[in-house]
Amino acid sequence: GQNIDQPTEMTATEGAIVQINCTYQTSGFNGLFWYQQHAGEAPTFLSYNVLDGLEEKGRFSSFLSRSKGYSYLLLKELQMKDSASYLCAVSANSGNTPLVFGKGTRLSVIA
Amino acid sequence: DVKVTQSSRYLVKRTGEKVFLECVQDMDHENMFWYRQDPGLGLRLIYFSYDVKMKEKGDIPEGYSVSREKKERFSLILESASTNQTSMYLCASSLLVTGVGGNEQFFGPGTRLTVL
Repeated sequence: GQNIDQPTEMTATEGAIVQINCTYQTSGFNGLFWYQQHAGEAPTFLSYNVLDGLEEKGRFSSFLSRSKGYSYLLLKELQMKDSASYLCAVSANSGNTPLVFGKGTRLSVIA
Repeated sequence: DVKVTQSSRYLVKRTGEKVFLECVQDMDHENMFWYRQDPGLGLRLIYFSYDVKMKEKGDIPEGYSVSREKKERFSLILESASTNQTSMYLCASSLLVTGVGGNEQFFGPGTRLTVL
Protein backbone atom coordinates (compact mmCIF):
# COMPACT_ATOMS: atom_id res chain seq x y z
CA GLY A 1 0.00 0.00 0.00
CA GLN A 2 0.87 3.65 -0.09
CA ASN A 3 1.32 5.60 3.12
CA ILE A 4 2.67 9.03 3.94
CA ASP A 5 2.94 10.32 7.49
CA GLN A 6 3.52 13.86 8.68
CA PRO A 7 2.60 15.67 11.89
CA THR A 8 -0.86 17.20 11.97
CA GLU A 9 0.05 20.52 13.53
CA MET A 10 3.11 22.53 14.56
CA THR A 11 3.62 25.92 16.13
CA ALA A 12 6.76 28.04 15.87
CA THR A 13 7.86 31.56 16.68
CA GLU A 14 8.49 34.31 14.16
CA GLY A 15 12.18 34.43 13.22
CA ALA A 16 12.83 30.85 14.33
CA ILE A 17 13.59 27.68 12.35
CA VAL A 18 11.12 24.83 12.00
CA GLN A 19 11.52 21.34 10.55
CA ILE A 20 8.51 19.45 9.19
CA ASN A 21 9.09 15.72 8.82
CA CYS A 22 7.58 13.29 6.35
CA THR A 23 7.96 9.51 6.20
CA TYR A 24 6.68 7.46 3.32
CA GLN A 25 6.07 3.89 2.23
CA THR A 26 5.16 3.60 -1.43
CA SER A 27 5.26 0.89 -4.08
CA GLY A 28 7.90 2.81 -6.03
CA PHE A 29 9.75 6.10 -5.86
CA ASN A 30 10.30 8.75 -8.50
CA GLY A 31 10.65 11.84 -6.36
CA LEU A 32 9.12 13.72 -3.43
CA PHE A 33 7.35 17.07 -3.53
CA TRP A 34 6.55 19.66 -0.90
CA TYR A 35 3.59 21.98 -1.43
CA GLN A 36 2.43 24.98 0.56
CA GLN A 37 -1.27 25.65 0.98
CA HIS A 38 -2.68 28.77 2.61
CA ALA A 39 -6.17 28.51 4.08
CA GLY A 40 -8.83 28.54 1.37
CA GLU A 41 -6.31 28.48 -1.45
CA ALA A 42 -4.80 25.89 -3.78
CA PRO A 43 -1.53 24.07 -3.02
CA THR A 44 1.52 25.63 -4.63
CA PHE A 45 4.82 23.91 -5.40
CA LEU A 46 7.74 24.46 -3.02
CA SER A 47 10.37 21.83 -3.76
CA TYR A 48 11.21 18.55 -5.42
CA ASN A 49 13.81 15.93 -4.38
CA VAL A 50 14.66 12.78 -6.26
CA LEU A 51 18.24 12.20 -5.06
CA ASP A 52 19.44 11.96 -1.46
CA GLY A 53 20.56 15.15 0.16
CA LEU A 54 19.57 18.72 0.77
CA GLU A 55 18.05 21.10 -1.76
CA GLU A 56 18.14 24.75 -0.72
CA LYS A 57 15.93 27.47 -2.09
CA GLY A 58 16.11 30.72 -0.18
CA ARG A 59 14.58 30.37 3.28
CA PHE A 60 13.26 26.91 2.45
CA SER A 61 15.27 23.69 2.21
CA SER A 62 14.16 20.12 1.64
CA PHE A 63 16.04 16.95 2.51
CA LEU A 64 15.60 13.39 1.28
CA SER A 65 16.86 10.00 2.42
CA ARG A 66 15.53 7.32 0.09
CA SER A 67 16.94 4.43 2.15
CA LYS A 68 15.01 5.65 5.20
CA GLY A 69 11.88 6.72 3.35
CA TYR A 70 12.23 10.11 4.98
CA SER A 71 12.14 13.76 4.05
CA TYR A 72 11.95 17.05 5.87
CA LEU A 73 11.16 20.62 4.96
CA LEU A 74 13.19 23.24 6.79
CA LEU A 75 11.89 26.78 7.06
CA LYS A 76 14.30 29.44 8.32
CA GLU A 77 13.67 32.98 9.55
CA LEU A 78 10.00 32.25 9.93
CA GLN A 79 7.55 34.96 8.94
CA MET A 80 3.87 35.28 9.80
CA LYS A 81 3.00 34.65 6.15
CA ASP A 82 4.53 31.15 6.47
CA SER A 83 1.47 30.12 8.48
CA ALA A 84 -0.03 27.53 6.16
CA SER A 85 -0.41 23.79 5.60
CA TYR A 86 2.56 21.95 4.15
CA LEU A 87 1.84 18.86 2.08
CA CYS A 88 4.32 16.08 1.42
CA ALA A 89 3.65 14.13 -1.79
CA VAL A 90 5.44 11.19 -3.40
CA SER A 91 5.63 10.32 -7.06
CA ALA A 92 5.54 6.53 -6.88
CA ASN A 93 6.04 6.05 -10.60
CA SER A 94 6.62 8.18 -13.65
CA GLY A 95 4.10 8.56 -16.40
CA ASN A 96 0.49 9.13 -15.53
CA THR A 97 0.44 7.93 -11.92
CA PRO A 98 -1.06 10.48 -9.50
CA LEU A 99 1.03 11.81 -6.64
CA VAL A 100 0.38 10.25 -3.24
CA PHE A 101 -0.31 13.02 -0.73
CA GLY A 102 0.12 13.15 3.01
CA LYS A 103 -2.64 14.81 5.02
CA GLY A 104 -0.58 17.92 5.54
CA THR A 105 1.00 19.71 8.49
CA ARG A 106 -0.66 22.91 9.63
CA LEU A 107 2.02 25.35 10.74
CA SER A 108 1.13 28.32 12.91
CA VAL A 109 3.72 31.06 13.24
CA ILE A 110 3.25 33.18 16.37
CA ALA A 111 4.81 36.47 17.37
CA ASP B 1 2.59 31.47 -16.69
CA VAL B 2 0.98 28.10 -16.13
CA LYS B 3 -2.69 28.17 -15.40
CA VAL B 4 -5.42 25.87 -14.16
CA THR B 5 -8.82 27.49 -13.85
CA GLN B 6 -12.05 26.25 -12.32
CA SER B 7 -15.49 27.48 -13.27
CA SER B 8 -16.58 28.70 -9.83
CA ARG B 9 -14.92 29.60 -6.52
CA TYR B 10 -18.12 29.11 -4.55
CA LEU B 11 -21.20 27.09 -5.38
CA VAL B 12 -24.38 26.35 -3.44
CA LYS B 13 -26.67 23.55 -4.62
CA ARG B 14 -29.63 21.63 -3.28
CA THR B 15 -29.77 17.93 -2.48
CA GLY B 16 -30.59 15.90 -5.59
CA GLU B 17 -29.38 18.50 -8.08
CA LYS B 18 -26.96 17.57 -10.85
CA VAL B 19 -23.75 19.55 -10.45
CA PHE B 20 -21.02 20.23 -13.01
CA LEU B 21 -17.57 21.41 -11.99
CA GLU B 22 -15.37 22.50 -14.87
CA CYS B 23 -11.59 22.64 -15.01
CA VAL B 24 -9.45 24.02 -17.82
CA GLN B 25 -5.65 24.00 -18.14
CA ASP B 26 -3.60 25.88 -20.71
CA MET B 27 -0.34 23.93 -20.37
CA ASP B 28 -1.09 21.12 -22.85
CA HIS B 29 -0.83 18.61 -19.99
CA GLU B 30 -1.82 15.02 -20.59
CA ASN B 31 -2.86 14.25 -17.00
CA MET B 32 -5.73 15.86 -15.13
CA PHE B 33 -7.07 15.11 -11.65
CA TRP B 34 -10.02 15.85 -9.39
CA TYR B 35 -9.59 15.89 -5.61
CA ARG B 36 -11.76 16.79 -2.69
CA GLN B 37 -10.25 18.20 0.46
CA ASP B 38 -11.85 17.99 3.89
CA PRO B 39 -10.45 18.98 7.31
CA GLY B 40 -8.43 16.15 8.84
CA LEU B 41 -8.70 13.99 5.73
CA GLY B 42 -6.32 15.77 3.40
CA LEU B 43 -6.54 15.56 -0.38
CA ARG B 44 -8.47 12.57 -1.64
CA LEU B 45 -8.37 11.58 -5.30
CA ILE B 46 -11.76 11.17 -6.94
CA TYR B 47 -10.88 10.53 -10.60
CA PHE B 48 -8.05 11.19 -12.97
CA SER B 49 -7.51 11.14 -16.70
CA TYR B 50 -4.32 10.62 -18.66
CA ASP B 51 -5.73 11.24 -22.12
CA VAL B 52 -8.80 12.49 -23.92
CA LYS B 53 -11.80 10.22 -23.29
CA MET B 54 -9.77 8.18 -20.78
CA LYS B 55 -10.58 8.08 -17.07
CA GLU B 56 -9.43 6.17 -14.03
CA LYS B 57 -11.08 5.85 -10.63
CA GLY B 58 -9.25 7.30 -7.70
CA ASP B 59 -9.76 6.50 -4.03
CA ILE B 60 -13.32 7.82 -3.64
CA PRO B 61 -15.18 7.73 -6.98
CA GLU B 62 -18.62 6.83 -5.59
CA GLY B 63 -21.25 9.44 -6.36
CA TYR B 64 -19.10 11.13 -9.01
CA SER B 65 -18.43 10.81 -12.71
CA VAL B 66 -16.08 12.67 -15.06
CA SER B 67 -15.80 13.70 -18.66
CA ARG B 68 -12.80 14.57 -20.78
CA GLU B 69 -13.80 15.39 -24.32
CA LYS B 70 -10.91 17.78 -24.97
CA LYS B 71 -7.34 17.66 -23.73
CA GLU B 72 -7.56 20.97 -21.86
CA ARG B 73 -10.88 20.36 -20.10
CA PHE B 74 -11.83 17.91 -17.36
CA SER B 75 -15.30 17.99 -15.84
CA LEU B 76 -16.48 16.51 -12.56
CA ILE B 77 -20.16 15.61 -12.34
CA LEU B 78 -22.22 14.97 -9.25
CA GLU B 79 -25.22 13.10 -10.64
CA SER B 80 -27.39 13.73 -7.58
CA ALA B 81 -25.73 15.97 -5.03
CA SER B 82 -25.88 14.98 -1.38
CA THR B 83 -24.96 16.88 1.79
CA ASN B 84 -21.92 14.67 2.36
CA GLN B 85 -20.47 16.01 -0.88
CA THR B 86 -20.11 19.45 0.65
CA SER B 87 -16.37 20.04 0.32
CA MET B 88 -13.55 21.91 -1.38
CA TYR B 89 -12.93 20.49 -4.84
CA LEU B 90 -9.52 20.91 -6.41
CA CYS B 91 -8.54 20.23 -9.99
CA ALA B 92 -4.92 19.61 -10.97
CA SER B 93 -2.94 18.82 -14.10
CA SER B 94 0.51 17.43 -14.85
CA LEU B 95 2.74 16.64 -17.76
CA LEU B 96 3.27 13.04 -18.77
CA VAL B 97 6.86 12.45 -17.61
CA THR B 98 8.59 9.19 -18.38
CA GLY B 99 11.81 8.14 -16.71
CA VAL B 100 13.38 10.12 -13.89
CA GLY B 101 11.69 13.35 -13.01
CA GLY B 102 8.58 13.72 -10.96
CA ASN B 103 5.29 14.71 -12.47
CA GLU B 104 4.61 17.96 -10.63
CA GLN B 105 0.92 18.71 -10.31
CA PHE B 106 -0.41 22.23 -10.81
CA PHE B 107 -3.60 23.08 -8.98
CA GLY B 108 -6.57 25.25 -9.76
CA PRO B 109 -7.93 27.70 -7.15
CA GLY B 110 -10.59 25.28 -5.94
CA THR B 111 -14.39 25.30 -5.78
CA ARG B 112 -16.05 25.36 -2.39
CA LEU B 113 -19.28 23.45 -2.89
CA THR B 114 -22.08 23.54 -0.34
CA VAL B 115 -24.99 21.14 -0.74
CA LEU B 116 -28.07 22.08 1.28
